[in-house]
Amino acid sequence: ETGVTQSPTHLIKTRGQQVTLRCSSQSGHNTVSWYQQALGQGPQFIFQYYREEENGRGNFPPRFSGLQFPNYSSELNVNALELDDSALYLCASSWVLTSGGSYNEQFFGPGTRLTVL
Amino acid sequence: AQKVTQAQTEISVVEKEDVTLDCVYETRDTTYYLFWYKQPPSGELVFLIRRNSFDEQNEISGRYSWNFQKSTSSFNFTITASQVVDSAVYFCALSEDRTDSWGKLQFGAGTQVVVTP
Repeated sequence: ETGVTQSPTHLIKTRGQQVTLRCSSQSGHNTVSWYQQALGQGPQFIFQYYREEENGRGNFPPRFSGLQFPNYSSELNVNALELDDSALYLCASSWVLTSGGSYNEQFFGPGTRLTVL
Repeated sequence: AQKVTQAQTEISVVEKEDVTLDCVYETRDTTYYLFWYKQPPSGELVFLIRRNSFDEQNEISGRYSWNFQKSTSSFNFTITASQVVDSAVYFCALSEDRTDSWGKLQFGAGTQVVVTP
């Protein structure tokens, strides 16, 4: 069984730039969620994708966007980067029977450490 | 408002001591799910347990045990006979089973556990 993988591991960008982070879900999983974890804090939910559609969103501005592909992998795009976007970005996958599934555990990838200068 | 509160920022113990991590949550829903995750220095969140709101039975898994009490909205986690490998940040998380929260794990701030030999 292949776990959740993320790329790249580390990334350094400057303010105003755009970034794309990638996530491959665990084998058999159909749902991907993205979280932002600032240093010393708990992860914050950005959004979730189920069957290639956004299925829930946290309190993040529209410059945070995503995609899910037919193979259930996903991308997180952030436009107009700000210094506060510096964080560990975690991707999690799970298997959900229907759109309303909150109950299944999410399995996390190792994260992408983004630094914005 | 903070949905999940982990009041202990850091706990330091000597190997073989027991350590209990507190988690207090807040929700108006009758159906919800509680989780514990471990985050070692590598950064990847490791799933430990899921508990639904209708199951108050305590659980033991090896050296880990969990005490769920709806009356006090608490879901505490105990590591018995701690080992150096238990050193990590531990997160408690809540998932509410309603439309605007699907897939959303709401994490506490985490408790850093330091186990010294």
